Amino acid sequence: KAGVTQTPRYLIKTRGQQVTLSCSPISGHRSVSWYQQTPGQGLQFLFEYFSETQRNKGNFPGRFSGRQFSNSRSEMNVSTLELGDSALYLCASSVDRGWQYFGPGTRLTVT
Amino acid sequence: ELKVEQNPLFLSMQEGKNYTIYCNYSTTSDRLYWYRQDPGKSLESLFVLLSNGAVKQEGRLMASLDTKARLSTLHITAAVHDLSATYFCTAFTGNQFYFGTGTSLTVIP
Repeated sequence: KAGVTQTPRYLIKTRGQQVTLSCSPISGHRSVSWYQQTPGQGLQFLFEYFSETQRNKGNFPGRFSGRQFSNSRSEMNVSTLELGDSALYLCASSVDRGWQYFGPGTRLTVT
Repeated sequence: ELKVEQNPLFLSMQEGKNYTIYCNYSTTSDRLYWYRQDPGKSLESLFVLLSNGAVKQEGRLMASLDTKARLSTLHITAAVHDLSATYFCTAFTGNQFYFGTGTSLTVIP
């Protein structure tokens, strides 16, 4: 069974730009969660999607958004990038909030 | 908002020794997760604990959950170097995931 894939793996953007990250879950998994990891704030929950619906969202500004497609693939978008958005972005897939399988992450650097 | 506290934050232990990492959370949680992270890598799931009194074991690691005390523990038995990593506990409640700060474990030969 193929694991969770995230693209791109590395990304460098400039302040003010926007970025879209992609996550392809394990086949059959309908739940996708997104997390941000920074040295200062640690790991923080961004959103969770299940069957194309956002079930919940963490405490992040509206610049952070996401969606899930009918094939369970998910994207997250960050608009008007700030330096503080530099982070490792992780997605995880699960059947339904059970065992989570994490992707390798996307490392975003904002300059 | 639920707060998750792990201790210790840093742990250096000799091979062959036992130790416990503690995870306290501030309000009722629906489930408790433990993850491992190697330097520069993603997270790896270790355990999912769903109910009071749950105990799960995998190799040299054993996790338990006491929902009344709002406490989960990760016990390491006869540590080996391969267990060196950062361990996170995460509480899930109110449709959100709340992470602890992590425990950085170094096992010394």
